[in-house]
Amino acid sequence: NAGVTQTPKFQVLKTGQSMTLQCAQDMNHEYMSWYRQDPGMGLRLIHYSVGAGITDQGEVPNGYNVSRSTTEDFPLRLLSAAPSQTSVYFCASSPAGTGSGNEQFFGPGTRLTVL
Amino acid sequence: GQSLEQPSEVTAVEGAIVQINCTYQTSGFYGLSWYQQHDGGAPTFLSYNALDGLEETGRFSSFLSRSDSYGYLLLQELQMKDSASYFCAVSTDSWGKLQFGAGTQVVVTP
Repeated sequence: NAGVTQTPKFQVLKTGQSMTLQCAQDMNHEYMSWYRQDPGMGLRLIHYSVGAGITDQGEVPNGYNVSRSTTEDFPLRLLSAAPSQTSVYFCASSPAGTGSGNEQFFGPGTRLTVL
Repeated sequence: GQSLEQPSEVTAVEGAIVQINCTYQTSGFYGLSWYQQHDGGAPTFLSYNALDGLEETGRFSSFLSRSDSYGYLLLQELQMKDSASYFCAVSTDSWGKLQFGAGTQVVVTP
């Protein structure tokens, strides 16, 4: 199993550009999430999904869109990049809700810089 | 408001014991998790407490007191490889919402 994969590993954008961060998992997990991590602020939840076709907002959803057409894939779209979106983005998946104690498996991250 | 508080940094020598405290104030509570993250790496799961008490996994133990909104991670027999950031995280609903603390950097010295 490859686990959770993310592409690209690094990306530089100009203000106003759009792009999609890719996330895929091969563990047949129902739950997938996107987080951003800024220095000294821990991880903040952007959006999450409890299954194909179902998504919901997290703590910091503004400026981001998601969709979940398959169990395996959960792309994150930046609509119009802003310097405030410079961050490290992590995708995670888990076999069930974290409320039941199942661990979240994180991808390697995408390091995004917006100029 | 919602918050998770944990110390920003802890330094200890190899072989020592370190306790990282986490106090939380959230709108929902289903359990407290701990994650480890090495520099440049992804977070990895360490432990989960839904009920009061101590959970032990090898050199690491985690404790929860729901009435005090408090938990801690205990790292025993510290090794150099334990130098990393440690995050507490609260599950705020049963579907998958995790709220993370800002992290505690543990520095292990020879």
